Amino acid sequence: DQQVKQNSPSLSVQEGRISILNCDYTNSMFDYFLWYKKYPAEGPTFLISISSIKDKNEDGRFTVFLNKSAKHLSLHIVPSQPGDSAVYFCAASGGSYNTDKLIFGTGTRLQVFP
Amino acid sequence: NAGVTQTPKFQVLKTGQSMTLQCAQDMNHEYMSWYRQDPGMGLRLIHYSVGAGITDQGEVPNGYNVSRSTTEDFPLRLLSAAPSQTSVYFCASSYSVSGKLFFGSGTQLSVL
Repeated sequence: DQQVKQNSPSLSVQEGRISILNCDYTNSMFDYFLWYKKYPAEGPTFLISISSIKDKNEDGRFTVFLNKSAKHLSLHIVPSQPGDSAVYFCAASGGSYNTDKLIFGTGTRLQVFP
Repeated sequence: NAGVTQTPKFQVLKTGQSMTLQCAQDMNHEYMSWYRQDPGMGLRLIHYSVGAGITDQGEVPNGYNVSRSTTEDFPLRLLSAAPSQTSVYFCASSYSVSGKLFFGSGTQLSVL
């Protein structure tokens, strides 16, 4: 049972436009959400996170939005750059029964073209 | 500061062989974990440790063993490799159990 879902395996965006990557979760006990970025032949690197007490968190060109009622989060990248081309994973953790584990989605491959 | 170091980067095994994937971190992190990445499956947690001497199972622990004798090292053992264990393996560490993970560069394992 996939608790964290990224339903779009790939996304293609023109340079300078907005990239929106989506993530849904099923476990209402999750209270901390993260996005990771992964280039080929490298390990994932942390990008941005959000706690369930917030509905938005910004870091430069990256903004994460959390809709707890819909169990949905999204990552906005504005403006998109070719260097943003990578696989993006969302992840979730938290709750009394899940504090030791970070559950990842299946990833979305973002391609930013000139 | 090397971060999380994984060795080897590539490995080919025959079915039934055993091997150990090495992982070391120099950030004094208490929490360490092993993930495998398979196409269409994302990253799945194999085993994790919240400190030296403490380990626990993740989502897909079968066929793997771990131990944590020091804060720095967290090796992953395959006792009898199977083709289903062909995957990319990532070791990660963190200063807290639900915090930001620092990943190694991965080990590409093929079991024939």
